[in-house]
Amino acid sequence: GQNIDQPTEMTATEGAIVQINCTYQTSGFNGLFWYQQHAGEAPTFLSYNVLDGLEEKGRFSSFLSRSKGYSYLLLKELQMKDSASYLCAVRVGTRNRDDKIIFGKGTRLHILP
Amino acid sequence: GAVVSQHPSWVICKSGTSVKIECRSLDFQATTMFWYRQFPKQSLMLMATSNEGSKATYEQGVEKDKFLINHASLTLSTLTVTSAHPEDSSFYICSATPGLAGGPFSETQYFGPGTRLLVL
Repeated sequence: GQNIDQPTEMTATEGAIVQINCTYQTSGFNGLFWYQQHAGEAPTFLSYNVLDGLEEKGRFSSFLSRSKGYSYLLLKELQMKDSASYLCAVRVGTRNRDDKIIFGKGTRLHILP
Repeated sequence: GAVVSQHPSWVICKSGTSVKIECRSLDFQATTMFWYRQFPKQSLMLMATSNEGSKATYEQGVEKDKFLINHASLTLSTLTVTSAHPEDSSFYICSATPGLAGGPFSETQYFGPGTRLLVL
């Protein structure tokens, strides 16, 4: 089966740093995505990790440890507009036709002024 | 960047009717499109993978006779919710990826804006 776990909700203060963790147990692994989704809108791509390590992109960084089945999304200098759901998703599949992305339940991040 | 459109963005229908949702890739050819459903405060649940020119692959628990998927061209996939009932009310999102199935994925999965379905 496929299992992707992340906290349901988190709260942080404007200007601070927050880390959203994700653990996964999936049949097959071909990469891990983080998406941001504002209420009522479609997800938007944030990051994609295939190899172990930290990928930094502006205020957002994503880390992956394949041996531990673990990733985190780090958001720095939080802004009010960062209030959204953050979805951890794993690309699974070993054959061409099985290539797909499975999403976790998402973490709702609340930013306080 | 690549754009994926969905039509309609909103639909309200009576119980028992069928509703068709279109997903189009506007500036690239999409070999594979994915259909997701999202209930309020829940994450995206993959319903099916739509491959151009072949039958869709449905996820476990998704009724293929109720959710008909057609991927007739490289730029269009349709999802038809047949005999819709109130429990089918949800946010339906498609995504599309260019290139060959199984090819480089990275961030090249583009989401449509979603279709909100309300069945009365």
